[in-house]
Amino acid sequence: QSALTQPRSVSGSPGQSVTISCTGTSSDVGGYNYVSWYQQHPGKVPKVVIYDVNKRPSGVPDRFSGSKSGNTASLTISGLQAEDEADYYCCSYAVTSYVFGTGTKVTAL
Amino acid sequence: EVQLVESGGALVQPGGSLRLSCAASGFTVGDYWMTWVRQAPGEGLEWVANISPDGNVKYYVDSVKGRFTISRDNAKNSLLLQMNSLRADDTAIYYCGRWGGNTWLDYWGQGTLVTVSS
Repeated sequence: QSALTQPRSVSGSPGQSVTISCTGTSSDVGGYNYVSWYQQHPGKVPKVVIYDVNKRPSGVPDRFSGSKSGNTASLTISGLQAEDEADYYCCSYAVTSYVFGTGTKVTAL
Repeated sequence: EVQLVESGGALVQPGGSLRLSCAASGFTVGDYWMTWVRQAPGEGLEWVANISPDGNVKYYVDSVKGRFTISRDNAKNSLLLQMNSLRADDTAIYYCGRWGGNTWLDYWGQGTLVTVSS
């Protein structure tokens, strides 16, 4: 039940693309296509932006996309906007548990 | 409209107990896997516990096993978390959540703050 590894921070200019990685093991990220991503603005409740690796809930802009290769999942924000500045957490199913990532702060320069 | 509202957070001394509640509306908690997730001040999210729709299957993060108990009150359509032998590192905002499709949290409560300190 070790936390999934994410970069502490990523940044980009508005309009650019940024990608956040989420590295786990074959017991979580690599074993199942059940990775979700959550956006959390300061002082706010987390909100899902991607589920089941690459599915987007209704209402989430299509600039958010997800993928997975081996034990690493990724969240890409294409066309970064100021309102995308937030903390992002990945989360993986692991049969008898779930595990979150360490979190990444996204900054729009 | 789906809503989750937590209550019960408080300041408690180390070794003490607390019971958190999460009142659900707009759906029946007995139809979904439900969860508690916590976030220590300035830190990341940590999954704490899950309970199955029928209440018979419960999972916990290792750090709370034997101390915390997740349960449901079907009559009140609510989720509960009994926390015993509390430690300073249990200090956090505790969120209840609903697993949509069993693999992602589609609804979260606003959270309730638990502070363990003497």
